[in-house]
Amino acid sequence: DIQMTQSPSTLSASVGDRVTITCRASQNIVNWLAWYQQIPGKAPKLLIYKASNLPSGVPSRFSGSGSGTDFSLTISSLQPDDFATYYCQAYNDSLWTFGQGTKVDIK
Amino acid sequence: DVQLLESGGGLVQPGGSLRLTCAPSGFRFSTSAMTWVRQTPGKGLEWVSTISHNGGATYYADSVKGRFTVSRDNFKNTLYLQMDSLRAEDTAVYFCAKVMWPTYFDDWGQGTLVTVSS
Repeated sequence: DIQMTQSPSTLSASVGDRVTITCRASQNIVNWLAWYQQIPGKAPKLLIYKASNLPSGVPSRFSGSGSGTDFSLTISSLQPDDFATYYCQAYNDSLWTFGQGTKVDIK
Repeated sequence: DVQLLESGGGLVQPGGSLRLTCAPSGFRFSTSAMTWVRQTPGKGLEWVSTISHNGGATYYADSVKGRFTVSRDNFKNTLYLQMDSLRAEDTAVYFCAKVMWPTYFDDWGQGTLVTVSS
């Protein structure tokens, strides 16, 4: 089974900061990677799919990159609504696997 | 707008059973694969099970295989998760979500809490 390792586990940042979260897969997942944002008490929200694609309505300050085993999520200028937990999620061979999450909090 | 409404959660004793229901609206349910994801209080997300659009294929995480059964009724527009032989470690909020086949989950419900405790 694939293991997904996110880093860091926690990230402290300020409004306006550029923030990058990384996710590493234990084997090649091509570009079958998604990113989700979760605010406490709410359902996860899809941010990025197929490694680098933004769904309609997601602000352009979010971007994703990577392929194979190494991926990243970047927020170009952190906004107050962005303080949340972010999860990567991989698909491979009829299994879906989440990373352990990265909490972005206020510095 | 897509909406997914979970129900059926509650308190159950270890070894007991519970059936969760997800009621979708705002999209063509019969052509969409669906999934269940859970979240232990204060912890991360764990994929539980996925079912194809017609119910012909089902997939399970090792942690629930043999105990949980996912099913759907496309005539009633309803998704189910039958949970048997429940354990304390199954305590979690259970979300249903729509699958953009096969890779990611593009719409989520608000979740229903399952507590397994004596």
